[in-house]
Amino acid sequence: GESVGLHLPTLSVQEGDNSIINCAYSNSASDYFIWYKQESGKGPQFIIDIRSNMDKRQGQRVTVLLNKTVKHLSLQIAATQPGDSAVYFCAENTGRRALTFGSGTRLQVQP
Amino acid sequence: EAGVAQSPRYKIIEKRQSVAFWCNPISGHATLYWYQQILGQGPKLLIQFQNNGVVDDSQLPKDRFSAERLKGVDSTLKIQPAKLEDSAVYLCASSFSSRTGTTYEQYFGPGTRLTVT
Repeated sequence: GESVGLHLPTLSVQEGDNSIINCAYSNSASDYFIWYKQESGKGPQFIIDIRSNMDKRQGQRVTVLLNKTVKHLSLQIAATQPGDSAVYFCAENTGRRALTFGSGTRLQVQP
Repeated sequence: EAGVAQSPRYKIIEKRQSVAFWCNPISGHATLYWYQQILGQGPKLLIQFQNNGVVDDSQLPKDRFSAERLKGVDSTLKIQPAKLEDSAVYLCASSFSSRTGTTYEQYFGPGTRLTVT
């Protein structure tokens, strides 16, 4: 299928390694953050979220870290698998408004 | 639980023609969003509905784009007339809404890929 992002920054990792994807957000008033995974030809898929009153949240094989001081968000994927290959977007939200998405990072997992 | 449904999945039209997209959100989700995703970019909000009312349409090109959610469930997005730069994927998303204002995650449909020639 057609690629989601042809000119995105790319992170290439070996299968089994840990991956860290970084994101800088823009609005200091944002109080809710989400990481989405998007595969070619599909809509964004929810991975994990975190609210601004937290610094860290863990899911299954994924961890999100939030540093409000420098407005930085990161997604850590443990034991990266080929199925993790996709474009990853961070998104921020303020109140009841819609999400503002970052520009995305392509993750390529080498077998 | 069924996800967000969108149709059609693909559409090819010539410039100046009109096109319409349909979205059925997850049952019980009061908030519905339409996003435009240009190749290589993140989704950008076009319009947000709360039930059948518009919450935010500040980024909707109202001279050519229109959207409605008459009964507060499914929604249609229309473009008339289309321009070449409208070629993109149009994503519909929905979310649960809390009376206290708590934000919940948005669930996305598969999108409609529009090509304007």
